[in-house]
Amino acid sequence: NAGVMQNPRHLVRRRGQEARLRCSPMKGHSHVYWYRQLPEEGLKFMVYLQKENIIDESGMPKERFSAEFPKEGPSILRIQQVVRGDSAAYFCASSPRTSGGAVNEQFFGPGTRLTVL
Amino acid sequence: AQKITQTQPGMFVQEKEAVTLDCTYDTSDPSYGLFWYKQPSSGEMIFLIYQGSYDQQNATEGRYSLNFQKARKSANLVISASQLGDSAMYFCAMREGQNNDMRFGAGTRLTVKP
Repeated sequence: NAGVMQNPRHLVRRRGQEARLRCSPMKGHSHVYWYRQLPEEGLKFMVYLQKENIIDESGMPKERFSAEFPKEGPSILRIQQVVRGDSAAYFCASSPRTSGGAVNEQFFGPGTRLTVL
Repeated sequence: AQKITQTQPGMFVQEKEAVTLDCTYDTSDPSYGLFWYKQPSSGEMIFLIYQGSYDQQNATEGRYSLNFQKARKSANLVISASQLGDSAMYFCAMREGQNNDMRFGAGTRLTVKP
């Protein structure tokens, strides 16, 4: 059973370009979470999605960032017009369908390291 | 306000000895889960151990155990018989009730000395 997959593992972009980060959840998982980790810091929640729905985007910057999780295919985190401050590791996590009150573990992917030149 | 506090930026331990990594949390939700993750230099996040707020016993997973003191709101990770491969960043995290996000502490960098 393959784990959470993210690609690319490393991404270099120049200021003003677009960055697309992909995440394929574990088989059978319908919940996807995106986190950002700045150097020497812990992970910060960005957005939570289920298939075709954004459930919680309270941690997402209001501009330039968007996320989707289509019916078919991976979840995509899209950053438009990247700036140097976007340089970070972006982690995707997935969890199985929650069942009333249960606190489920999130399984993390290997991350995508974005460098903005 | 900080939800998760890890007060030790760095810790050193001798190989084969035990080490405790501190974590305190802040929540008013009676239902929550506490997690520890390991992040080696390669960067991936590796799940280690989970403790639910209603669990009666402290969680254990091999050499990892969680010293859960609910009244003090602490969830310290104990690693027994340290190995060189345990050198990594360790993050404590909490998920409250039905919330969607997991809050992470700033991490503790553990170095195991031969």
